[in-house]
Amino acid sequence: DIQMTQSPSTLSASVGDRVTITCRASQSISSWLAWYQQKPGKAPKLLIYKASSLESGVPSRFSGSGSGTEFTLTISSLQPDDFATYYCQQYNSRWTFGQGTKVEIK
Amino acid sequence: QITLKESGPTLVKPTQTLTLTCTFSGFSLSTSGEGVGWIRQPPGKALEWLALIYWDDDKRYSPSLKSRLTITKDTSKNQVVLTMANMDPVDTATYYCAHRDSSNRGDYWGQGTLVTVSS
Repeated sequence: DIQMTQSPSTLSASVGDRVTITCRASQSISSWLAWYQQKPGKAPKLLIYKASSLESGVPSRFSGSGSGTEFTLTISSLQPDDFATYYCQQYNSRWTFGQGTKVEIK
Repeated sequence: QITLKESGPTLVKPTQTLTLTCTFSGFSLSTSGEGVGWIRQPPGKALEWLALIYWDDDKRYSPSLKSRLTITKDTSKNQVVLTMANMDPVDTATYYCAHRDSSNRGDYWGQGTLVTVSS
């Protein structure tokens, strides 16, 4: 089983801040990593796939990087609509999700 | 346009078997590369992958739940069914189905259905 570990679990930030979330895989997953955004009561929304590819329609302030076992999601300038929970997911072998990072208002 | 929708009981009793149906449109599970996955999320907790079924009827299950899960497809009805045996209150969660594309990513999700396990 591939395990995914996200950090931090909670992040307090202000509008305009640069925010970075980290995800670590228990073994190499090449670039088979996705990032999702989830708001309360809603299904997750795909933001980034293949570690760094932006899903169609997703604002360019979101970016992803990394390969192998270490990955990051960066929001360059946090907007009010970005306060949500973010999950990483490996899809190299089956699917596994990280435990989530809640981005809250500081 | 791809859409998915989950359906099934909102309340099940402990020890019962849960049967959930994912009805989808915009793709066919007879097309090479396509698949559907099931994911659940207990209230206030993280997402947990459960199972995947592929166009060629290959199936994958979460190792921790494999003994309790069965996933099947009905290509003619554009449906995927997930059964989970021996339900327990800890299985209370919102259950989602998602489209799995040829790159194995989950790009479209259903709205989810909340299942409560209680006597």
